[in-house]
Amino acid sequence: GQNIDQPTEMTATEGAIVQINCTYQTSGFNGLFWYQQHAGEAPTFLSYNVLDGLEEKGRFSSFLSRSKGYSYLLLKELQMKDSASYLCAVPSGGSYIPTFGRGTSLIVHP
Amino acid sequence: DTGVSQDPRHKITKRGQNVTFRCDPISEHNRLYWYRQTLGQGPEFLTYFQNEAQLEKSRLLSDRFSAERPKGSFSTLEIQRTEQGDSAMYLCASSTPSTGWEKLFFGSGTQLSVL
Repeated sequence: GQNIDQPTEMTATEGAIVQINCTYQTSGFNGLFWYQQHAGEAPTFLSYNVLDGLEEKGRFSSFLSRSKGYSYLLLKELQMKDSASYLCAVPSGGSYIPTFGRGTSLIVHP
Repeated sequence: DTGVSQDPRHKITKRGQNVTFRCDPISEHNRLYWYRQTLGQGPEFLTYFQNEAQLEKSRLLSDRFSAERPKGSFSTLEIQRTEQGDSAMYLCASSTPSTGWEKLFFGSGTQLSVL
């Protein structure tokens, strides 16, 4: 099975940079996902990392280290609308079906 | 592309009643997934279909839960003899190889309240 650990809550200031960490344990690695979920809304896909390293998509970047069982999501130039829950997810061994962590609630304040 | 559609948005029922939810995935998305989410938690996998075949079901899923996707298009999730612990947001998602199986598109969910 999986064990996914991420901080419960983080706060940051508008315009700043924030890094949300995720550690995981899984049997059979098939990549790691990050999803964003605004309160009362559906999760939306942010990124999928299967190889080590950093992948950048505009203000958002995601990093993966398979040997360390570690990933982070980096959000730059924070905006108020980035206040949301950020979900780290890892597929169960041998499948591509994401198992989600509890999520990190990010609060961006002025 | 109208996105994943779920109906109803909200359902209030009494304990012991049966409820059924519907999900219409994005057109031509082969895979369809059901998840359940409670407040402060991430989505919990329930089951998934590839076309009309139900390929995987969570071991934690009670026998009171059943899902179908009869023609490989829309899907229904039925909960029999509902219990208060079934209160949650039920999320449906779909995916397709053209955008990557791993990229799930979620619907807005059905919020179930069992009284």
